Amino acid sequence: DAGITQSPRHKVTETGTPVTLRCHQTENHRYMYWYRQDPGHGLRLIHYSYGVKDTDKGEVSDGYSVSRSKTEDFLLTLESATSSQTSVYFCAINNIDREYTNTQYFGPGTRLTVL
Amino acid sequence: ELKVEQNPLFLSMQEGKNYTIYCNYSTTSDRLYWYRQDPGKSLESLFVLLSNGAVKQEGRLMASLDTKARLSTLHITAAVHDLSATYFCAVDPSGSRLTFGEGTQLTVNP
Repeated sequence: DAGITQSPRHKVTETGTPVTLRCHQTENHRYMYWYRQDPGHGLRLIHYSYGVKDTDKGEVSDGYSVSRSKTEDFLLTLESATSSQTSVYFCAINNIDREYTNTQYFGPGTRLTVL
Repeated sequence: ELKVEQNPLFLSMQEGKNYTIYCNYSTTSDRLYWYRQDPGKSLESLFVLLSNGAVKQEGRLMASLDTKARLSTLHITAAVHDLSATYFCAVDPSGSRLTFGEGTQLTVNP
């Protein structure tokens, strides 16, 4: 499972409240990603990080911010949650293996419901 | 904007039959990935295809890549119920970011 954990695994919150999701990895991977998964859209990239304090936007970054103050943790924050952010959120790491395949491995996911 | 299209999006097939899932993408890429997702679970890496003409096989699944046609296929041979899942293809032209297709929900019926 590439040593990736996500917390919380489930969360129900109300519109307008801030929410922070945490992704933790134990294998010192440089790249980390946040995706959201919605029916009919597959997975869409929100933000990613290529090192401590180095982050960039993905295709659906509006309404989200991220931080990475240490290699092992990548935080996703919804500053003011909206119902359209109800989704399943996956964290991933990029493992550059012996064949240099750059395969991404995914965490278990966080199911977020915004009422 | 990179687009990745899979078809079909829904596939119901009988055990023992063969079928192919198609993945088309809109920009040049030498890297294509196939993932499997069981209901309520995370994504599991199946195949990584790194060059034109690449072919990978694992059990009843075989994936191929034609970079000139911007097309990958996932072929299922003699399907069994355990293959029921959603299958995603994803493209990585930059070497650091994946763009996913919508997924193909496969149901294998006895």
